[in-house]
Amino acid sequence: QVQLVESGGGLVKPGGSLRLSCAGSGLTFSDYYMSWIRQAPGKGLEWVSHITSSGTTIYNADSVKGRFTISRDNAKNSLYLQMNSLRAEDTAVYYCARFFGLQSFDYWGQGTPVTVSS
Amino acid sequence: DIQMTQSPSSVSASVGDRVTITCRASQGISSWLAWYQQKPGKAPNLLIYAASTLQSGVPSRFSGSGSGTDFTLTISSLQPEDFATYYCQQANSFPLTFGGGTKVEIK
Repeated sequence: QVQLVESGGGLVKPGGSLRLSCAGSGLTFSDYYMSWIRQAPGKGLEWVSHITSSGTTIYNADSVKGRFTISRDNAKNSLYLQMNSLRAEDTAVYYCARFFGLQSFDYWGQGTPVTVSS
Repeated sequence: DIQMTQSPSSVSASVGDRVTITCRASQGISSWLAWYQQKPGKAPNLLIYAASTLQSGVPSRFSGSGSGTDFTLTISSLQPEDFATYYCQQANSFPLTFGGGTKVEIK
């Protein structure tokens, strides 16, 4: 069955960096567009970044433009999110998710928590 | 950016009740709408895509309708496992956006 497993979250100081990873299994990873979505404590869902199957097209939310970079390595069935210049408002659980049929997220990872605090 | 507005933000209901949640888009999105259920501490689960297509494995008591700017998620007979938060999401254009969520609570 399809599994997405995030890792790399943790506690980081404001201005610091973190790299999240998402390992996929049970799917032909290179066939699918993927996104990162986050959820701040007690808040709703916020789409963060998106990458096409080949990695040639990327979209980012305005809130992370210039600070976060999404990438993928299809040979390793892996998705990444490089997060720089982190702010307190980036504190959230970060999910990777498979974008299905150009319209919805049908598989999600369990999430990895990121806390930005001094 | 397309804003997604859900109402109500919370609803109290009893087992067996019919529950309706509304999602309104700030501009027309055709049928590019999905609904998710999220339980505390868990990742969201896709219920409906393309506004009205039930995801495989989702009980038939869930249904979706609408197109353009106004959409509805209906739970025909609320079950104990349905108490959760529900989100809509548009995929008409980037940035993808979610509604603020509707929490379905036990009356």
